[in-house]
Amino acid sequence: SQKIEQNSEALNIQEGKTATLTCNYTNYSPAYLQWYRQDPGRGPVFLLLIRENEKEKRKERLKVTFDTTLKQSLFHITASQPADSATYLCALLTSGGSYIPTFGRGTSLIVHP
Amino acid sequence: ETGVTQSPTHLIKTRGQQVTLRCSSQSGHNTVSWYQQALGQGPQFIFQYYREEENGRGNFPPRFSGLQFPNYSSELNVNALELDDSALYLCASRDRRYNEQFFGPGTRLTVL
Repeated sequence: SQKIEQNSEALNIQEGKTATLTCNYTNYSPAYLQWYRQDPGRGPVFLLLIRENEKEKRKERLKVTFDTTLKQSLFHITASQPADSATYLCALLTSGGSYIPTFGRGTSLIVHP
Repeated sequence: ETGVTQSPTHLIKTRGQQVTLRCSSQSGHNTVSWYQQALGQGPQFIFQYYREEENGRGNFPPRFSGLQFPNYSSELNVNALELDDSALYLCASRDRRYNEQFFGPGTRLTVL
């Protein structure tokens, strides 16, 4: 069966460190992978999209990697700040799914001052 | 440029009732999608509308239905509400040419 797995346990890190979140998937062949940020009681906010033929994408303090052999994406936030505390969702888009995002359950990140 | 808006923000209904949720798309966006998000879960795709026609549907029963209007605003209707329908309902709009979606703040539905 198809699965998107994100760590259900919260990630706690100290301010200034790099946060690394993982998204693993099985039985998908995604054309794209997206990362979103979601604050409590709010809608998700799009952060980054990476294509299947791209290995890495950067945007300011954010970096996403995409390994289609390992079926894994890593999401990094460098020099993390307490304001980065939120839930981070990964989403896969496939041609068979009409490019409609299928979301993981998200991982909560808590950055301590 | 106005973002995606949803109304109402909160709603309490009882089992068996019907509910209508509303969404205004971001300016220039012709595609709108609806998602259900239960507590601690990721958003689950309900359906998508493009130019007033449904062009994608997730694993939800027919009592979940929708509309898109000529101005690209949208409604989600749920009939015969069940307790498990309690969730955050999210609307997202995008320009069909691009894969970046813009989500609204959601409507929190509680079914008692």
